[in-house]
Amino acid sequence: GENVEQHPSTLSVQEGDSAVIKCTYSDSASNYFPWYKQELGKRPQLIIDIRSNVGEKKDQRIAVTLNKTAKHFSLHITETQPEDSAVYFCAASGWGGKLVFGAGTILRVKS
Amino acid sequence: NAGVTQTPKFRVLKTGQSMTLLCAQDMNHEYMYWYRQDPGMGLRLIHYSVGEGTTAKGEVPDGYNVSRLKKQNFLLGLESAAPSQTSVYFCASSPGTGVYNEQFFGPGTRLTVL
Repeated sequence: GENVEQHPSTLSVQEGDSAVIKCTYSDSASNYFPWYKQELGKRPQLIIDIRSNVGEKKDQRIAVTLNKTAKHFSLHITETQPEDSAVYFCAASGWGGKLVFGAGTILRVKS
Repeated sequence: NAGVTQTPKFRVLKTGQSMTLLCAQDMNHEYMYWYRQDPGMGLRLIHYSVGEGTTAKGEVPDGYNVSRLKKQNFLLGLESAAPSQTSVYFCASSPGTGVYNEQFFGPGTRLTVL
């Protein structure tokens, strides 16, 4: 089955700096890669996703890149703000919609 | 639309007790999922359903049962609770059509088993 590894487990950045979180997956059949943000005590919420036929996707300060050959994808947050502090999860999915999640990255943005 | 709702929000059980967690969605989604979230381990899939009357095992199904008698509801049961089942439980739903399925999560249920 699919296995998703996520690094780093914790990340501290200064406000205004960029943050990068990386994930690798094992199943070459996976074709959908969402990223979820979870604030303390809240539910995970989708912030961006990418499909296997696309190499990069941007949404304001957030971008995701996908390298299908190497089976890895990354989340990039530019100009970080204190409200970006949260836990971020990557996930991978093949046909049928089942998601396999990474273990999460705690992002702390210091002001 | 309420989206995905879960009841109860919190529950404390003693070892060996049973309980049922209820998930409801009003988005007419076909697929529904139950996850557990433990520190440092992300979200792990317990059971899921691809339509009314269907259920399937996920990554960590032992000790849990599920039922999907109505399309909008997905129940998670613990027949004999154990301390290892102390966790936060999230329900999610997705449309189920097409290849790419965004999952929408409920607010979670925090369960403590003493």
